Amino acid sequence: GQQLNQSPQSMFIQEGEDVSMNCTSSSIFNTWLWYKQEPGEGPVLLIALYKAGELTSNGRLTAQFGITRKDSFLNISASIPSDVGIYFCAGLARGAGGTSYGKLTFGQGTILTVHP
Amino acid sequence: EAQVTQNPRYLITVTGKKLTVTCSQNMNHEYMSWYRQDPGLGLRQIYYSMNVEVTDKGDVPEGYKVSRKEKRNFPLILESPSPNQTSLYFCASSLSGGGSYEQYFGPGTRLTVT
Repeated sequence: GQQLNQSPQSMFIQEGEDVSMNCTSSSIFNTWLWYKQEPGEGPVLLIALYKAGELTSNGRLTAQFGITRKDSFLNISASIPSDVGIYFCAGLARGAGGTSYGKLTFGQGTILTVHP
Repeated sequence: EAQVTQNPRYLITVTGKKLTVTCSQNMNHEYMSWYRQDPGLGLRQIYYSMNVEVTDKGDVPEGYKVSRKEKRNFPLILESPSPNQTSLYFCASSLSGGGSYEQYFGPGTRLTVT
């Protein structure tokens, strides 16, 4: 199946620093999504990107849908302790029938630790 | 309260003993999906359903079955569980599968197969 390569695998930063993570794929995706997962919980959607080249912000978070449709990045500015968690990128593509969306592929995740 | 519920939350079973993990959502969502989460591999999609009686394979469907007989429920069935199916399982739902709508995840089911 399709695979997403997410990097870095983990980050240890000081409070106030900016964070950048990215995902690349060998396949084209129609939608890119970024999720955050906190311990003991399911992932929660942070940002959704629908068009190649799209740049979208959500508070201190900014994400971009790569022009080639094979990559995306997420930036977090001025990190705070509550940013701790696992961040996942995900790409949405058409299903096997080719007529509908639904098949979602996740990256391996970036574990973010923020030191006060 | 709008939510996705999964049962059980924790399950320890033995190889070959059939089990079902239930998933239910109260948001009238058309799209539902199952994922497994393993360290270093992220979440991998097992099966998804675009609507009642419409299901399709994700990336890792082997060893699993699903059914969507009614809109709110999407059970995951392991006919003959094996140790490599030990994992953390998440069910999710969204208004539709087109990617324009947020997927809401359940709290997870931690399964151990011995």
